[in-house]
Amino acid sequence: AQSVAQPEDQVNVAEGNPLTVKCTYSVSGNPYLFWYVQYPNRGLQFLLKYITGDNLVKGSYGFEAEFNKSQTSFHLKKPSALVSDSALYFCAVRDGVGGYNKLIFGAGTRLAVHP
Amino acid sequence: DAGVIQSPRHEVTEMGQEVTLRCKPISGHDYLFWYRQTMMRGLELLIYFNNNVPIDDSGMPEDRFSAKMPNASFSTLKIQPSEPRDSAVYFCASTLRATSGRGTDTQYFGPGTRLTVL
Repeated sequence: AQSVAQPEDQVNVAEGNPLTVKCTYSVSGNPYLFWYVQYPNRGLQFLLKYITGDNLVKGSYGFEAEFNKSQTSFHLKKPSALVSDSALYFCAVRDGVGGYNKLIFGAGTRLAVHP
Repeated sequence: DAGVIQSPRHEVTEMGQEVTLRCKPISGHDYLFWYRQTMMRGLELLIYFNNNVPIDDSGMPEDRFSAKMPNASFSTLKIQPSEPRDSAVYFCASTLRATSGRGTDTQYFGPGTRLTVL
């Protein structure tokens, strides 16, 4: 069965410091991996995805994520955090085998960036 | 494109009343998803459609919940009768499959409907 784990409920980081939000996954086939961000009272916004190819994926707002097949991880990173990055971040996975399958979302990690 | 449109944005109703949530997906998308988000349970997939046909409704919590997609540009999620435990934010999302040649497999979410059942 597909699953996603976001081991941290909250991540705190000082503005200007690098940030990492962790995600590990489990699927039976090749994974399609996604990161979404949710600001207060808003819907989820797509940040980036990994389907195939280069393990380092670059996305919106300066975020990037690294796919690591051996560790089944897809951690979200940013070299220098901004206060405006404070939000709820979701990792999601779907099995790439066969037809379109539903996304499985993690529980979310709240990122707090302090001035 | 205007993105996924949901209405109403906020709904307050009393227990036992019927509630209808509406969604207009992005034009040309062939998949539509209904999710529910609560603090306790996080983000849950309720049902999804492909080309207006329900594919997986295993996430629909009870028979009180029903969803329809009468055409490619409109879907409804109905709760009848509503209960206080149905209070949540309900999201609609849509995507176009990458195998269509123009799609990306990325789901795009609407702003959500915040439902409060008193």
